[in-house]
Amino acid sequence: AQSVSQHNHHVILSEAASLELGCNYSYGGTVNLFWYVQYPGQHLQLLLKYFSGDPLVKGIKGFEAEFIKSKFSFNLRKPSVQWSDTAEYFCAVKGSNSGYALNFGKGTSLLVTP
Amino acid sequence: DTAVSQTPKYLVTQMGNDKSIKCEQNLGHDTMYWYKQDSKKFLKIMFSYNNKELIINETVPNRFSPKSPDKAHLNLHINSLELGDSAVYFCASSQAGGQGEAFFGQGTRLTVV
Repeated sequence: AQSVSQHNHHVILSEAASLELGCNYSYGGTVNLFWYVQYPGQHLQLLLKYFSGDPLVKGIKGFEAEFIKSKFSFNLRKPSVQWSDTAEYFCAVKGSNSGYALNFGKGTSLLVTP
Repeated sequence: DTAVSQTPKYLVTQMGNDKSIKCEQNLGHDTMYWYKQDSKKFLKIMFSYNNKELIINETVPNRFSPKSPDKAHLNLHINSLELGDSAVYFCASSQAGGQGEAFFGQGTRLTVV
């Protein structure tokens, strides 16, 4: 079955700490990968995306993600988090075998403390 | 200009009522979606429309019906509302195919009492 898994449901970090959020997917065929962020009370916004080429993708606000095909993973990283990074983070996949519907993982809630 | 707009932002209604949520996108996208976000923040795809054709319909009760008068609009109609329908509903749009990122509306918080 096609699925998207995010390993960490709740993460608490101090400001300036490094962040890595895990995402694994189980899809056949071609996949396109996304990370979205949802700030409190707001809608989802795109952080970054991967379609092809360089597996290390840089996004907005200092975020980056690495696509590792052999591990079916697309982990999100940021070297130094800020209080304003407090939000929900969603990994999402579009797969050729699912009509390119955008399917989400269950999300990771990140709290950054001052 | 708001790329994806949905109305209303808040909707409080009684069980058994019928309600609609409207969605419009001005991005010229071919595909529009409805997602339901539950209290645990899980986003579940409900419907996807591509050029006015329903291409995905997950295990959603038939009380929910999408209506697309044209490719810029995808409205969500809900009949006989139940307490469990309380959630935030997001509309989104994207270009057809795999590489189109989805743009989301602000969400509609539906509360059924």
